[in-house]
Amino acid sequence: AQSVTQPDIHITVSEGASLELRCNYSYGATPYLFWYVQSPGQGLQLLLKYFSGDTLVQGIKGFEAEFKRSQSSFNLRKPSVHWSDAAEYFCAVGRNDMRFGAGTRLTVKP
Amino acid sequence: EAQVTQNPRYLITVTGKKLTVTCSQNMNHEYMSWYRQDPGLGLRQIYYSMNVEVTDKGDVPEGYKVSRKEKRNFPLILESPSPNQTSLYFCASSPPGTPGRLGYTFGSGTRLTVV
Repeated sequence: AQSVTQPDIHITVSEGASLELRCNYSYGATPYLFWYVQSPGQGLQLLLKYFSGDTLVQGIKGFEAEFKRSQSSFNLRKPSVHWSDAAEYFCAVGRNDMRFGAGTRLTVKP
Repeated sequence: EAQVTQNPRYLITVTGKKLTVTCSQNMNHEYMSWYRQDPGLGLRQIYYSMNVEVTDKGDVPEGYKVSRKEKRNFPLILESPSPNQTSLYFCASSPPGTPGRLGYTFGSGTRLTVV
């Protein structure tokens, strides 16, 4: 069965520190992989996506993610977090049947 | 502006009173989908539509209906709402081609409370 796991419900980092949000998935074939961000009271905005090619993908707002097939992972990273990055982040996997993880809430300390 | 528009943004209703949440997109997308978002559960797919007159169940379709009579519109219908349908609902659409390959465009959400 297809599934997406985001192991960290809540992460707190200091402004300027690096960030890594974890995502593991289970899917029959090579899936399309996405990260979305949701600011409070807003809809979801696409940060980046992977469907083939280079396993390190760049997205908007300085985010990147790396697809590791052997680990069934698609972790999101940012070298230096800004206070405006505080939001909830969702990993999504699939094709017609897009599955979302439960989300990771990011708090940024000044 | 390219967008997915949902209405209403907020709705409080009583158990059993039929309601419709509208969703419209202006990007000529073929694929549209409804999700509900609940704390700790992320987004769960309710129904999706590959094109006009083609709809299919997602993971949590019970208590919901949809229709796709025109490409741009994909309303979500709750025939007899119950309190466990209190949730935040999102409509999403995807460009032509393999659905999901380019990611979804989401609406701003509809917060539904059933009392």
